[in-house]
Parts: sequence; C-alpha cells; structure tokens
Amino acid sequence: AQRVTQPEKLLSVFKGAPVELKCNYSYSGSPELFWYVQYSRQRLQLLLRHISRESIKGFTADLNKGETSFHLKKPFAQEEDSAMYYCALSGLSGGYNKLIFGAGTRLAVHP
Amino acid sequence: NAGVTQTPKFRVLKTGQSMTLLCAQDMNHEYMYWYRQDPGMGLRLIHYSVGEGTTAKGEVPDGYNVSRLKKQNFLLGLESAAPSQTSVYFCASKMALAGYEQYFGPGTRLTVT
Repeated sequence: AQRVTQPEKLLSVFKGAPVELKCNYSYSGSPELFWYVQYSRQRLQLLLRHISRESIKGFTADLNKGETSFHLKKPFAQEEDSAMYYCALSGLSGGYNKLIFGAGTRLAVHP
Repeated sequence: NAGVTQTPKFRVLKTGQSMTLLCAQDMNHEYMYWYRQDPGMGLRLIHYSVGEGTTAKGEVPDGYNVSRLKKQNFLLGLESAAPSQTSVYFCASKMALAGYEQYFGPGTRLTVT
C-alpha cells in the first residue's frame, strides 16, 4: 500500500535551533517525494522536490531509499519557518500520477 | 494570473442540504483535483480530472460528485450534506505529463450542522 507517515504532529523549537521534520513512506516502486508547506493564511505550496536536490529557504531533504525516508532539515530555524509541513509521495495509480499526503507536522519556532 | 481560485470561501450548511463548490484555474492545466483537509489526517483526494469531460474517484469519493465541463473549471457537489463532511476543501491543478507541481487554491471551509 502507498502511504506517507509523519510521526510528529507538532515540533516546537527555539529560533536558531536545528530542525528535522520526519517523513517515512511506503511504496512498491520508484516514488517521487515532495515537501509542501502551508504558512498561516496562505495556500499550500511546494517547498521542494527530491529530484531537484535544491535547498529552498535553507531547507534540504534527502531521499533515503534504504530507510524509505525523506526527512526535511534546516540547520538554524527562523520564526518565519513556523508553518504546517506536509510530506507527499507521487506515484502511479490507475495510470495517473497522484499525490499522497502525510498527516502533516506543525512547526512552531519560538523567539 | 489569478492561479487557482475557489468559491465560496466559507459556507455553513444544514444536514441534508446540497451545494456546489467551484474551482477555477487560468493556467491552462489539464489535471485538476479536489482534496479535503481534516486535522490529523492531512489532505485526502476526493476526485480528480485529467481533462475536460473526464473525472475519476480518489481516496474518499463517497458523498461527493464532480464535473469538468470546461477545462478551466472543476465543480465539487454535495447532494445531501452530512456532519462528517465538515472540512476544509482544497482544489489543485497541474500540467499534464511534464508537470510535477500541484498548484493549490485558498480553500473553502465548510461546516455542516
């Protein structure tokens, strides 16, 4: 079964502390993994995609196929990083790519 | 470009009432999606469309119907609303094939009493 698991509902850190948002997936194939972010009063938007291997807003995520994980990391959290973060998997189902979302982790960065 | 827009932004329904949520996109995207977002459950796919005149069921389709009569519009209908359909509904669109990013609307908060 295709599944995305984000074990933490809430991650609370202080400004300047490192952040790691966990994501594990289950998929019998070669998935494409994404992180989407939803800031307060804004729409959901793509943060990064594993294929591009970019660093966006200081965040990085490495796909670990052995551990089936795609954790999101940032070395020094900022207050503006406070948001809801969703890990998502894109896989073929019924012939079309669909996104499967995790339950989300709320990141709260305190001053 | 307005991107993806949703109408209405808020709605309160009584059990048994019907309503239609409208999603519109001006990016000429082929694929469109309807999700519901519930606390602790993330976003779940209700229905999706891969082109004008085509629709398909997602993960949680029961109690909803959809139509894609025009490429730019994707309608989500609730024929007989139930309290379990209280949720935030998001529409998204994506380019076909080469596109990987889904573009989301601002959401519609629906409460069924």
